[in-house]
Amino acid sequence: KNQVEQSPQSLIILEGKNCTLQCNYTVSPFSNLRWYKQDTGRGPVSLTIMTFSENTKSNGRYTATLDADTKQSSLHITASQLSDSASYICVVRGGRGGADGLTFGKGTHLIIQP
Amino acid sequence: GAVVSQHPSWVICKSGTSVKIECRSLDFQATTMFWYRQFPKQSLMLMATSNEGSKATYEQGVEKDKFLINHASLTLSTLTVTSAHPEDSSFYICSAHDPGYIQYFGAGTRLSVL
Repeated sequence: KNQVEQSPQSLIILEGKNCTLQCNYTVSPFSNLRWYKQDTGRGPVSLTIMTFSENTKSNGRYTATLDADTKQSSLHITASQLSDSASYICVVRGGRGGADGLTFGKGTHLIIQP
Repeated sequence: GAVVSQHPSWVICKSGTSVKIECRSLDFQATTMFWYRQFPKQSLMLMATSNEGSKATYEQGVEKDKFLINHASLTLSTLTVTSAHPEDSSFYICSAHDPGYIQYFGAGTRLSVL
């Protein structure tokens, strides 16, 4: 069964600190993995997309890693800002999941405190 | 970059009325669009696949007569929540993928049924 597990479920950190969010998946065959940021009351916005051959990809203060062997990905946020407060969703394309070909994680709810 | 536009962003309606939500792909043609429902602090749940020029495909447990989908053009899909009731109150999100299978999400529509 295709699954995407994210941890932690929620996280509170102080502004300026770094944090790392985890994503483990069992989707097979694997096509790609995306990290999305979803602000409250808004749709998800793509941060990074990674394919099988990519280990690291950065987008400003966001750096995603992928280990296709262990089927793990992480999203590292550097020097957090108040605007980083959001849900971060790991989405894997591939396998025989839904009609959209995507399996969604439940997200990590991140709160940045001043 | 590619954009998916969703309208309205927020709608309040009386119980028993119908509400239409529009989803447009602005930069590319989408023969397929997807509709999701999201409850608070939960991940996106695929409701149906909207197919241009043919009937939509609904996920198990989703009432097709309750959630009418029309995909009359390559850039527009609509979701109509018919005879809405308070339990239909939720956050509805559409998405489409561009020719490179990069998924883009709309900003979402918050439906509140009184």
